[in-house]
Amino acid sequence: EADIYQTPRYLVIGTGKKITLECSQTMGHDKMYWYQQDPGMELHLIHYSYGVNSTEKGDLSSESTVSRIRTEHFPLTLESARPSHTSQYLCASSELGFDQPQHFGDGTRLSIL
Amino acid sequence: GQQVMQIPQYQHVQEGEDFTTYCNSSTTLSNIQWYKQRPGGHPVFLIQLVKSGEVKKQKRLTFQFGEAKKNSSLHITATQTTDVGTYFCAGQGNEKLTFGTGTRLTIIP
Repeated sequence: EADIYQTPRYLVIGTGKKITLECSQTMGHDKMYWYQQDPGMELHLIHYSYGVNSTEKGDLSSESTVSRIRTEHFPLTLESARPSHTSQYLCASSELGFDQPQHFGDGTRLSIL
Repeated sequence: GQQVMQIPQYQHVQEGEDFTTYCNSSTTLSNIQWYKQRPGGHPVFLIQLVKSGEVKKQKRLTFQFGEAKKNSSLHITATQTTDVGTYFCAGQGNEKLTFGTGTRLTIIP
């Protein structure tokens, strides 16, 4: 099983709060990703990174930001949470290369009241 | 942009029946990957297909990549309760991997 960890697993928080979702991997993978997924629905790529100091926006417009200061760490931050941000957030990583499979963390289920 | 659609969206089958999900891309793909997500879980990589017309098997699962490299299918023979989950294809385009819309499989015991 892949070694990629997300914290917290569940978060219920009020509107307007600043939130940081943590993601760490111990596989030394260069590429990392954040997806947003509503229960049972498709995955939407919101951010990805090719390596340290690289961050790119994904296909889904998002009010979140990411940083990649260390290879193993790829946190996602919401400056001011809103109810529309309620969803599951999945972090993934892969080796560099055109055809590498992605390894996913268990996800963070976020509920904004 | 690249779009990857899957049909059906939902499938309910009796245990022991076969199941097939189809994946169609709006653009030609360099490869296609398949993932399985159990209820409450995260997507887990199953397999990758690279060559035109490629067929791969994993026990009761058969994966196929179309000749034009724009479509793919996953067929499960004699479904079991452990097959429950959502199956996603993911098509590799120029730069990014685009996940399909998924097919949720429910097994009726």
